[in-house]
Amino acid sequence: AQSVTQLDSQVPVFEEAPVELRCNYSSSVSVYLFWYVQYPNQGLQLLLKYLSGSTLVKGINGFEAEFNKSQTSFHLRKPSVHISDTAEYFCAVRTMNRDDKIIFGKGTRLHILP
Amino acid sequence: EPEVTQTPSHQVTQMGQEVILRCVPISNHLYFYWYRQILGQKVEFLVSFYNNEISEKSEIFDDQFSVERPDGSNFTLKIRSTKLEDSAMYFCASIGGGSYEQYFGPGTRLTVT
Repeated sequence: AQSVTQLDSQVPVFEEAPVELRCNYSSSVSVYLFWYVQYPNQGLQLLLKYLSGSTLVKGINGFEAEFNKSQTSFHLRKPSVHISDTAEYFCAVRTMNRDDKIIFGKGTRLHILP
Repeated sequence: EPEVTQTPSHQVTQMGQEVILRCVPISNHLYFYWYRQILGQKVEFLVSFYNNEISEKSEIFDDQFSVERPDGSNFTLKIRSTKLEDSAMYFCASIGGGSYEQYFGPGTRLTVT
């Protein structure tokens, strides 16, 4: 079985400062990794995904994430946040079976301070 | 760009009533899913559906829940007798051949009173 841990339930950060949202996963098989963003009162939007290849993955809105197999981590980073980045961010995993379900972490609320 | 749609966006119902949540997956997709997010909590898998039958279901998906693809385009989630704890956002998702990404709909917020 797979599991995802997002240790930080909330991360406050000043506007234009860098941010890192942490994600660790557990799985006995190889997995695909995802970050989703949920803006207030909206649905889930895919930020980025790691399937294979380069461990540094770039996504939308200036976000990037690095897959570290030895540390079973997939941390999300942005060098300079904007007030519009205020949202809930979910790390997620899925096995490489194409039709398998997605397992989500509990989410990290990014709170941008003016 | 094709997208998954869900109706209604918000449903209010009384405890014990039946509700049907509707989803229209992307037209050439083959695998369909329902997820649930109780307010302030993580998104949880409910059920997956392929070739007109359930592929997998979670412990949450008990006998009160059922899914159906009645007409080749809609994918529905029925809750037979709603409980207060069924109040949540319900997301539909689909995945197509050759793709690894599940496309999520905007969700239906179900409020049981």
